[in-house]
Amino acid sequence: DAGITQSPRHKVTETGTPVTLRCHQTENHRYMYWYRQDPGHGLRLIHYSYGVKDTDKGEVSDGYSVSRSKTEDFLLTLESATSSQTSVYFCAISDGSGSYEQYFGPGTRLTVT
Amino acid sequence: TQLLEQSPQFLSIQEGENLTVYCNSSSVFSSLQWYRQEPGEGPVLLVTVVTGGEVKKLKRLTFQFGDARKDSSLHITAAQPGDTGLYLCAGVTPGGTSYGKLTFGQGTILTVHP
Repeated sequence: DAGITQSPRHKVTETGTPVTLRCHQTENHRYMYWYRQDPGHGLRLIHYSYGVKDTDKGEVSDGYSVSRSKTEDFLLTLESATSSQTSVYFCAISDGSGSYEQYFGPGTRLTVT
Repeated sequence: TQLLEQSPQFLSIQEGENLTVYCNSSSVFSSLQWYRQEPGEGPVLLVTVVTGGEVKKLKRLTFQFGDARKDSSLHITAAQPGDTGLYLCAGVTPGGTSYGKLTFGQGTILTVHP
């Protein structure tokens, strides 16, 4: 299994508070991605990174920001959490070879009350 | 925006039956990946199909990529309870600067009863 961890695994927070989720990899993969998973929607891409300090928006980026200051860590920040951001968040990594096969972390369940 | 329509959303079958899951789009993908997800875990890659018309087999699972690279199917023969899970298709956005961006289908929840 790819060495990818997410922290925290569960979090409950109040509306309006900032929240940061961390993704850490030990595979030295160049590409990292943040997705959210909601019933009936599959997974939707929030932001992705194609190198240190190189990031771009995905299809559902509003209300989220990311940072990648080193290869192994990719942070997702909700500046002011809203109830619509209650979801399960997954991080994925890829080395970009072949067809960009992605390896997913175990997920973070975030509840915004 | 590229879309992938996956069907059916739910499948409940008896052990030993065959089933097919479909993924359809009006967009062309450079490749298509199939994942399986267990409750409380992240998706796990099953297979990637790259060439139009390609067929790949993984034990009792057969994956096909459409000739035009817009659709794909997953066929399971003689389903077993261990096949129970969420199956997701995902298309890779074409283009050199897409960096592997995936568009996921909505998923198919498969339940195989003993």
